[in-house]
Amino acid sequence: GAGVSQSPRYKVAKRGQDVALRCDPISGHVSLFWYQQALGQGPEFLTYFQNEAQLDKSGLPSDRFFAERPEGSVSTLKIQRTQQEDSAVYLCASSSNRAGGKLFFGSGTQLSVL
Amino acid sequence: GQQLNQSPQSMFIQEGEDVSMNCTSSSIFNTWLWYKQDPGEGPVLLIALYKAGELTSNGRLTAQFGITRKDSFLNISASIPSDVGIYFCAGQPMNSGGSNYKLTFGKGTLLTVNP
Repeated sequence: GAGVSQSPRYKVAKRGQDVALRCDPISGHVSLFWYQQALGQGPEFLTYFQNEAQLDKSGLPSDRFFAERPEGSVSTLKIQRTQQEDSAVYLCASSSNRAGGKLFFGSGTQLSVL
Repeated sequence: GQQLNQSPQSMFIQEGEDVSMNCTSSSIFNTWLWYKQDPGEGPVLLIALYKAGELTSNGRLTAQFGITRKDSFLNISASIPSDVGIYFCAGQPMNSGGSNYKLTFGKGTLLTVNP
């Protein structure tokens, strides 16, 4: 597609449930990023992929968060045993520049954990 | 971690007025980027700056990369109602230990334009 596509747009989960968020980056973009945006804040870095390799996962808040990009295209962010503090907008971004630089963001998935 | 101080937090202006917002950091940045975010959408890139002192325009928007590499400003001239949104500065720190792909974001400036 023309832009970064994320699904679902909204997800409501009960505390303790597992969720999976999908990102379809711009075709041909090498770099893929996940960011977390809390209400009233700027996005914060979670993890970075270059093709299928996850080069940096230092921003993942806990070991309940897991991301993959097995074929170097679509990526999935999985959150196990969701907690209320996981409620946020999860943004995916892609870039054609291996060093990042200009990022193109999707519309995000708004996760609400009840 | 790195922090960007963005000001003002919010602005209420009349249509046609000019707007200025800025971003500062205690550390040096390689790159400064300005994004706009509409409700329910992801940030959209407005302007990218790569060199100290660089001044770049995009229509009614002008941004500059500070000489010290620790600040940047964004100006919007002759504001219109569709300028409403949250404006974020973002940067890539110079001494990031090889992780120069990471963007650090400010907390945003909420702009409201009264028609």
